[in-house]
Amino acid sequence: DAGVIQSPRHEVTEMGQEVTLRCKPISGHDYLFWYRQTMMRGLELLIYFNNNVPIDDSGMPEDRFSAKMPNASFSTLKIQPSEPRDSAVYFCASSPAGYNEQFFGPGTRLTVL
Amino acid sequence: AQSVTQLGSHVSVSEGALVLLRCNYSSSVPPYLFWYVQYPNQGLQLLLKYTSAATLVKGINGFEAEFKKSETSFHLTKPSAHMSDAAEYFCAVRGVFQGAQKLVFGQGTRLTINP
Repeated sequence: DAGVIQSPRHEVTEMGQEVTLRCKPISGHDYLFWYRQTMMRGLELLIYFNNNVPIDDSGMPEDRFSAKMPNASFSTLKIQPSEPRDSAVYFCASSPAGYNEQFFGPGTRLTVL
Repeated sequence: AQSVTQLGSHVSVSEGALVLLRCNYSSSVPPYLFWYVQYPNQGLQLLLKYTSAATLVKGINGFEAEFKKSETSFHLTKPSAHMSDAAEYFCAVRGVFQGAQKLVFGQGTRLTINP
């Protein structure tokens, strides 16, 4: 299996622009997680899905952030409008049902100027 | 609430020396505990996990961790450090009840290996 795939790997944008991050989980995994990693706050869980349904979005920082999972093989995290404080590395992870181990993608490094 | 505390944000050891990274947990239920490693510009990779079986858990790359309930600890060790072990290490505990699929991560410990 190719593992969790994220795109783009790097994104540089200007404040106010819309940003869309993409994730393809490992085939057969029922859970998908979005994390944000910064020096100041460490690794934060933003939202997670079970069978394409959002279960817990309490970590989403503001209404500017939204996430969707239209099918089992694809998820997006959107920031609109983006702000410089959104600069971070965003990770997607997936997990099989009944297990706690999460498999992480390589991350998307977002820079908002 | 579940939580983990990693003692020491930075640890530096000499090549060939013992590696000891400390993690203490708080959990209202029997915990499942994890150690992940993150190499520069990469995602997190599972090193090992404790799921209530043997208290001494062996992982990849020669790492192991011992679950000590009396001390609420799950410290990570490796007898002899290698230059390739330089990375950031995260301890994590699973959530509870409806959030059992979630992992709560510590702040991480950056391990530096001196030649």
